[in-house]
Amino acid sequence: SQTIHQWPATLVQPVGSPLSLECTVEGTSNPNLYWYRQAAGRGLQLLFYSVGIGQISSEVPQNLSASRPQDRQFILSSKKLLLSDSGFYLCAWIVGAGLYTGELFFGEGSRLTVL
Amino acid sequence: TQLLEQSPQFLSIQEGENLTVYCNSSSVFSSLQWYRQEPGEGPVLLVTVVTGGEVKKLKRLTFQFGDARKDSSLHITAAQPGDTGLYLCAGAVTGYALNFGKGTSLLVTP
Repeated sequence: SQTIHQWPATLVQPVGSPLSLECTVEGTSNPNLYWYRQAAGRGLQLLFYSVGIGQISSEVPQNLSASRPQDRQFILSSKKLLLSDSGFYLCAWIVGAGLYTGELFFGEGSRLTVL
Repeated sequence: TQLLEQSPQFLSIQEGENLTVYCNSSSVFSSLQWYRQEPGEGPVLLVTVVTGGEVKKLKRLTFQFGDARKDSSLHITAAQPGDTGLYLCAGAVTGYALNFGKGTSLLVTP
């Protein structure tokens, strides 16, 4: 079966510290992968997406970066966190015939609090 | 600029009432999706609407895609406390990424 996992589930970090969130999928190959951020229980903001190894597209310029070192691994990073980076980070992958009719499956989410 | 506008932002009703939430845009979409999210979890897909004017029913939930494929609505009949959650609409602008609205937060009290 196809599954998606992300960790850590909860993270409290001081301003200026680095960040690494990891997401892995199982049961599929060459998936489209996505990082979204959700602030204060509201809508999802698309941060990055990847259609293959080493291929990263950024939707929002900021101090975050993403990497895809392996086919089923997607990592979100920052060298120096800002207070505004706090939020609920969600990794997702597309299932189905394609983006227009397929389904986004989300991981469990990682809640980041920057103090 | 928010591509998808959802209204209302918040809705608090009593069990048994009916409600409608809306998703509007100035852009035309090939399809729109509705997701439901519970606190601390990722969104879960409810439905995908593809054809202009399309109506889909999922038990007490009725989804409609506007004729011009720029808007959609979600109607819930006889709401139950289990319907509580954040309802998000999403549409694809490019071929690779879905953009989400800010959502409608629904609270159904017994």
